[in-house]
Amino acid sequence: EVQLVQSGAEVKKSGESLKISCKGSGFTFTNYWIAWVRQMPGKGLEWMGIIYPRDSDTRYSPSFHGQVTISADESTSTAYLQWSSLQASDTAMYYCGRRPSLVRELGIDYWGQGTLVTVSS
Amino acid sequence: QSALTQPPSVSGSPGQSVTISCTGTSSDNRVSWYQQPPGTAPQLIIYEVSDRPSGVPHRFSGSKSGNTASLTISGLQAEDEADYYCSSYTGSSVLFGGGTKLTVL
Repeated sequence: EVQLVQSGAEVKKSGESLKISCKGSGFTFTNYWIAWVRQMPGKGLEWMGIIYPRDSDTRYSPSFHGQVTISADESTSTAYLQWSSLQASDTAMYYCGRRPSLVRELGIDYWGQGTLVTVSS
Repeated sequence: QSALTQPPSVSGSPGQSVTISCTGTSSDNRVSWYQQPPGTAPQLIIYEVSDRPSGVPHRFSGSKSGNTASLTISGLQAEDEADYYCSSYTGSSVLFGGGTKLTVL
């Protein structure tokens, strides 16, 4: 069974760093792109970026480039999303998802359960 | 980046059909659709304009004309009440539409 299991909810203060995770199982992790999507409270989905764990090819949305870092460890089938200095505006639910292709619109066919990040000022 | 524009809300009664539009897509078949019931993660319901993943009911169908993609839900059911998002790969990144809230009356 394909699963993406994300790390648990986080409560942090402004200025702190954070790294959340997304562990894949039930599929060959290195054959798929892993995407990260933000959903702020009461708002829509926002594409943050995507990584291909086999060669760490990473693409960022212009809106998030320089604001976050996406990485992956193929040995543990885990992708990561990290911040060096959180801001209150980073408060959101963050989803990871599996995408079979970058250029073909096959979509994100499996999603993690989401990680809620709350940042207080 | 160009935006994908969706109506903020649509509604329909059980058994009726509703259509959600997504304007601003490219001329090829790069459109997917997601359903997100309240408090849950999104779920893929349409990819490459009109294909359905296994397990998605045939009541959900997709189409495209020019730069506007459409999601049609036939035979509305109460459990279809959710937010719906279109998405498209632009050649340099992926965009999501702003989302459409479907209310089943």
